[in-house]
Parts: sequence; C-alpha cells; structure tokens
Amino acid sequence: QVQLVESGGGVVQPGRSLRLSCAASGFTFSRYAMHWVRQAPGKGLEWVAVISFDGSTKYFADSVRGRFTISRDSSTNTVFLQMNSLRAEDTAIYYCAKDKLGVVDYWGQGTLVTVSS
Amino acid sequence: QSVLTQPPSVSAAPGQKVTISCSGSSSNIGNNYVSWYQQFPATAPKLLIYDNNKRPSGIPDRFSGSKSGTSATLGITGLQTGDEADYYCGTWDSSLSAGVFGGGTELTVL
Repeated sequence: QVQLVESGGGVVQPGRSLRLSCAASGFTFSRYAMHWVRQAPGKGLEWVAVISFDGSTKYFADSVRGRFTISRDSSTNTVFLQMNSLRAEDTAIYYCAKDKLGVVDYWGQGTLVTVSS
Repeated sequence: QSVLTQPPSVSAAPGQKVTISCSGSSSNIGNNYVSWYQQFPATAPKLLIYDNNKRPSGIPDRFSGSKSGTSATLGITGLQTGDEADYYCGTWDSSLSAGVFGGGTELTVL
C-alpha cells in the first residue's frame, strides 16, 4: 500500500533554513508527480508546491516562490522541500502527497515546522 | 483568503442529507476537475471524491460529488456521527499554475 513518511520538521528561527524529506513506498515513485501541502495551526489546507514525475517541471505557491525549492531522488524514492528565509507564517504541518493525473490521492501524516525565535 | 469559497460550517441531523458548496472561477473549477477531501482532527486529509464525481475504492456511495460551471458540490446522505470532520474542495488553477483549496467546511452531525 502507498506510504509517505515525512521527516525533517522542527523548531527553527526566522530567516533560517530547513529541509523536509518524504520517503515514498508502495508505488512506482518515478511515474508520479509529488506535492507538498501545508496546514497552519487551526487553519485550512494550503498547497505549496508540485514536482513532475521526472523532476523537469515544478510549480510553487506565490507565498513560497523564490524561498522554497522542491526536488526528488528516484534512486531513494524521496521528495524534498528546501525551505529558506523562513518566516513565522510558514509555521504549519507540512504534508507530502502523491499525485495521480492531477489529483492528490494519498497523503503522508505530516511533519510540524515551527518558525519562532 | 482562499481561492475557492466554502461555507465555514454546515450541520444536519443523523440520517439526513447535507451538501457542501465550493465556488471558484473559470481558471480553476470551470476548467479543471474538482476533488474533495475529508479530514478528522489531528489526522491527514483523505481523498473522498475525484474528477468531480468519482469515488476511490472504499468510499461509500453515501458520498457524491457534482460540478456545474464554476461551482462544485459535495453531498453526504444518511449522515452518521462518524462523518463529523472538516471537508475541503481542491483543484488546479490554470491562471495561477498552482493547486488551490477551499477554506474548509466543518460538518456537525447534531
């Protein structure tokens, strides 16, 4: 069955960087696009970024463009979210999610990122 | 402010039917498929409806989806207390080149 396990969250000071990882299993990783979606405490879902199945195409939300990058490694079935210049408003649970023909069909359990001094 | 607009909350009695609306524009709902997600407290969202009206394996037919123009609707019949959760609509926005979600709707089964 599809499993997505995020890691790398924690407490970080404003302006610093953090790298999230998502280990995927249970499907042919190299065939599917992958997303990151976040949820601030007590708030709704916010889409963050997507990377195509081969890593050639990437899109970002306006709120993170220029600060966050997304990448993937098909040798380890892992997708990454590099977060730079972090702000308090980036505090959220970050979910890794699998794409199937434009649909986010499976979600990981999330990793909490807290940006605070 | 979310790109897609949902009512903050809806409620109905057990056994009744409820609908949750999701309003967008031609750049998102109007020209792309809509998905719906169910989220219980402190858990990850789960896909409930995709491609406007299709149910993944394991989702009961009490859940249905529809789309008309730039709006979509999630319907839940035979409400159960276990259906109490937050529900989100989502789609792609072709103008923004970004995924978009509604602000979420909290369902209360009275």
